[in-house]
Amino acid sequence: QVQLQESGPGLVKPSETLSLTCSVSGDSFSSYVWNWLRQPPGKGLEWIGHIYHSNINYNASLRSRATLSVDTSQSRFSLKLTSVTAADTAVYYCARDGGQVGTTTYFDYWGQGALVTVSS
Amino acid sequence: DIVMTQSPVSLPVNPGEPASISCRSSQSLHINGYKKLDWYLQKPGQSPQLLIYLGSNRASGVPDRFSGSGSGTDFILKISRVEAEDVGVYYCMQTQEAPYTFGQGTNLEIK
Repeated sequence: QVQLQESGPGLVKPSETLSLTCSVSGDSFSSYVWNWLRQPPGKGLEWIGHIYHSNINYNASLRSRATLSVDTSQSRFSLKLTSVTAADTAVYYCARDGGQVGTTTYFDYWGQGALVTVSS
Repeated sequence: DIVMTQSPVSLPVNPGEPASISCRSSQSLHINGYKKLDWYLQKPGQSPQLLIYLGSNRASGVPDRFSGSGSGTDFILKISRVEAEDVGVYYCMQTQEAPYTFGQGTNLEIK
């Protein structure tokens, strides 16, 4: 059974950097595209970006504040978001793309989510 | 970015009755034989879960009362007989092009 688990600080100060890691177990990590999404409290879902080996794609709405990285040897991937504001307060999810790499996309496994609050 | 519009926003349904959710995209999601549209259900307090992928394919473990259809810019999620466990917010998501974008959600509740 595939499992994803987000980890990182639950509270980040304004203007600082949000850092989260997603640890994956139960499947061939290097065969999939890995994603970050977020959901502000009471709102809808926003895709942040995805990473597949050295190929990375970001949502331009984050204005280059996001950086994704991957550690294949440890089966985990990470998100850094710089210069955070209260608008970045959200539940952050990691998710696996179960589709055919480069052809189809659907998120078949999700982490439980990590609430990150931006506040001084 | 591709804009996704769902309707209705709120959907009260009697148990055992059918339900239908519409999702419209600002451009066609049909390319190379694939329909780049997925449906997710977010039950209260939980992460989203995949229901339907590529327009009409049920994800593993999803009951056959759920079905997806449509093409081009118009897609529908149907529940043939709503059960109490189906409550939550339903989202459509396009994967035609990045950034992948979601509809605003449809909140299904039991009457």
